[in-house]
Amino acid sequence: QSVLTQPPSASGTPGQSVTISCSGSSSNIGSNSVNWYQQLPGTAPKLLIYNNSQRPSGVPDRFSGSKSGTSASLAISGLLSEDEADYYCAAWDDSLNGHVFGVGTKVTVL
Amino acid sequence: QLQVRQSGPGLVRPSETLSLTCTVSGGSISSRSYYWAWIRQPPGKGLEWIGSVFYSGSTYYNPSLKSRLTISVDTSKKQFSLNLKFVTAADTAVYYCARETVSATNWFDPWGQGTLVTVS
Repeated sequence: QSVLTQPPSASGTPGQSVTISCSGSSSNIGSNSVNWYQQLPGTAPKLLIYNNSQRPSGVPDRFSGSKSGTSASLAISGLLSEDEADYYCAAWDDSLNGHVFGVGTKVTVL
Repeated sequence: QLQVRQSGPGLVRPSETLSLTCTVSGGSISSRSYYWAWIRQPPGKGLEWIGSVFYSGSTYYNPSLKSRLTISVDTSKKQFSLNLKFVTAADTAVYYCARETVSATNWFDPWGQGTLVTVS
């Protein structure tokens, strides 16, 4: 069981917006930045958002990240069928002294 | 563009040692800006950070694996390696190597394609 809590699933129709939450504590999200990864079916994870809200080169601006207190969120606007994937949040945990990942959220495009 | 690619056996017997190597291409392994990391994913489950190594050889490990784990680096070959001793079925997973950028919270990018290691 992960110290970062994510909903197991989220869905939307093409063009809609979807938001994924990531809930942690003062020892991880509350005191450290959050990164997000996208894992398309059968592939390796890919960095989607770093330092809470920064997008690497090549990541569409339909993806945005935010953080407030001990929670973070990933928003996907203008949902596309190619966005069907698992999404993981990650942070450093000062108490566990290690990197921790959320359990992942499966996004389905209806 | 920097790439990382892991290699090693896909089948390991229980109680033996799991050994994987990651080769870095298209960039330097000897940079102060990066660590080099191992991450795994059991079938159908989430991601677990295993540990990381700096080009100098300095390491930091997941406390839950530390007693069985050794991660090392060979800068002349642009490779870093994972050794996990006394494996059990619970160590069956896809193992990824990745570059880890040093920042407020280090991030992993890029990732290798992954190697499925089955303990049986």
